[in-house]
Amino acid sequence: NAGVTQTPKFQVLKTGQSMTLQCAQDMNHEYMSWYRQDPGMGLRLIHYSVGAGITDQGEVPNGYNVSRSTTEDFPLRLLSAAPSQTSVYFCASRKGAVSNYGYTFGSGTRLTVV
Amino acid sequence: DQQVKQNSPSLSVQEGRISILNCDYTNSMFDYFLWYKKYPAEGPTFLISISSIKDKNEDGRFTVFLNKSAKHLSLHIVPSQPGDSAVYFCAASSIYNQGGKLIFGQGTELSVKP
Repeated sequence: NAGVTQTPKFQVLKTGQSMTLQCAQDMNHEYMSWYRQDPGMGLRLIHYSVGAGITDQGEVPNGYNVSRSTTEDFPLRLLSAAPSQTSVYFCASRKGAVSNYGYTFGSGTRLTVV
Repeated sequence: DQQVKQNSPSLSVQEGRISILNCDYTNSMFDYFLWYKKYPAEGPTFLISISSIKDKNEDGRFTVFLNKSAKHLSLHIVPSQPGDSAVYFCAASSIYNQGGKLIFGQGTELSVKP
């Protein structure tokens, strides 16, 4: 099925370790983004991209890096994991660099940092 | 600074009755509002939306009302069904703000009892 694929679904990291959360979409969407969901906080935007080679920061970018070398992929890197990064991470994509609607979300990656 | 707020963390309703979920926002530049539904271990899925030029939008059992003067929107579900039990997120965006990024509320967990 076409959509947004996130891997892995679950991950446990030790403090200070690094890892990359993968996100891929096969809908030829220009816009891709990463959100984190925490209890009582809703979903907060980490980073987003309006096309290959273009990325920008969202509301909570500290501790995370992104790159967009292809239209399909938008990986999220944690360089040195901290317990505060324990969360559920969602990748979302949308057709059109500038738009209000049409977001498709992945099923999420649950990350625990111990 | 929470620009989109859902002040009720949870709501319990009897099957067949009306569910009313509320959302308040502070930024008058928002021009599009959306409701997402989320089941456990899944990503959010789009439910219904409304443009700021309208005050009501209906889709089957779901109706969204927008009161711009009060900066308030609500989602009505009539009649409520047990399958509607999920977390509902209100989101807002402005096409002029970072390419239409979504800003989410904290979510309301709806429980529909048989």
